Amino acid sequence: GDSVTQMEGPVTLSEEAFLTINCTYTATGYPSLFWYVQYPGEGLQLLLKATKADDKGSNKGFEATYRKETTSFHLEKGSVQVSDSAVYFCALMGGATNKLIFGTGTLLAVQP
Amino acid sequence: GAGVSQTPSNKVTEKGKYVELRCDPISGHTALYWYRQSLGQGPEFLIYFQGTGAADDSGLPNDRFFAVRPEGSVSTLKIQRTERGDSAVYLCASSYNRQGGTDTQYFGPGTRLTVL
Repeated sequence: GDSVTQMEGPVTLSEEAFLTINCTYTATGYPSLFWYVQYPGEGLQLLLKATKADDKGSNKGFEATYRKETTSFHLEKGSVQVSDSAVYFCALMGGATNKLIFGTGTLLAVQP
Repeated sequence: GAGVSQTPSNKVTEKGKYVELRCDPISGHTALYWYRQSLGQGPEFLIYFQGTGAADDSGLPNDRFFAVRPEGSVSTLKIQRTERGDSAVYLCASSYNRQGGTDTQYFGPGTRLTVL
């Protein structure tokens, strides 16, 4: 069945460092891809999404490009801030019911 | 506007008891989803409602779990004869789910269920 694999954390970076969190997927058909973020003590929030191959989603300085050839949707940010510390989930939406299938999450800790 | 709300925020119960978890979706959202998130894992799909009907309940782990949405708005997830393994955060999400679209699912804060 459909699945998402993302890099294990925690990822610890210094402020202003470059961030990459890897995400690959397995799916039948052409799923839509998402990154959700969970800040400490808060609920899941959509960070960005891409609905077809070669689309780039972007928000708050984060970007991810839907790569069909490598079945990947890696999350990147050029300069992280302490406020970016959170758990990041990669997800795909597939099937007729649009249910989300999540990866296990990656904890990002940004130190000042 | 108001987001998705879930009550209670925390529920502690004893093994074998019955619990109900409530979800109030965003007004006007026809699609409602339940997910379960265990510690250190991503959310796992349980059930999807389109309007009043359960369109996909393939994620419910067994027949102790049941959910309803009688008027197409508020939904209740019901768990009978709870087991310690049911302990998790139960998340609700809603969306417009326009036909052929990939509408954003908006999540509630979750209900943390602890079965002693």
